[in-house]
Amino acid sequence: AQSVAQPEDQVNVAEGNPLTVKCTYSVSGNPYLFWYVQYPNRGLQFLLKYITGDNLVKGSYGFEAEFNKSQTSFHLKKPSALVSDSALYFCAVRDGHHGSSNTGKLIFGQGTTLQVKP
Amino acid sequence: GAVVSQHPSRVICKSGTSVKIECRSLDFQATTMFWYRQFPKQSLMLMATSNEGSKATYEQGVEKDKFLINHASLTLSTLTVTSAHPEDSSFYICSARSELYTGELFFGEGSRLTVL
Repeated sequence: AQSVAQPEDQVNVAEGNPLTVKCTYSVSGNPYLFWYVQYPNRGLQFLLKYITGDNLVKGSYGFEAEFNKSQTSFHLKKPSALVSDSALYFCAVRDGHHGSSNTGKLIFGQGTTLQVKP
Repeated sequence: GAVVSQHPSRVICKSGTSVKIECRSLDFQATTMFWYRQFPKQSLMLMATSNEGSKATYEQGVEKDKFLINHASLTLSTLTVTSAHPEDSSFYICSARSELYTGELFFGEGSRLTVL
């Protein structure tokens, strides 16, 4: 079964400092990994994904994430946080197996609230 | 990126009535759409996978007769909450993917259901 863990309910950083939001995953096959951001009472916005290739993935709004197979992690990072980055962040995983039995459903972590203070 | 439209964004209804929520993929065809439910300050819980032209696949613990899903075309899926009760009040979010295997999911803006 697929699962995702985001160990921190909340991350607090000062504006201009680097930020990291942690994510670890469990999947039987090759993982497809995603990060999404959610603002209050809104849907989710896609930030970035890892499917294959380079372990360091760059995404929207200056975010990046590093896939680490040995540690089964996919932490989200940004070199310099902005106050406007404050939001709820979700890591998600799906099984990369290609076949008719795979519906491609995405399983989400519990979410991490990022608070960036001026 | 691709656009998914969800309607209505907010709905208030009386207990015992049924409510329909629509999810449309505006600029791509989606053979599969997903319906999630989100409680305040919690994660998204997958309710069901909606398949165009066939029955939806429900996750364990989700009542099929309570949450009716219809995927009548490649661009439209609907979720009907039947005989709604206050405990059904929640934020419902649909999503769709433009590429079969490697594409990311695109999400609607969500529908806030309040049952009085």
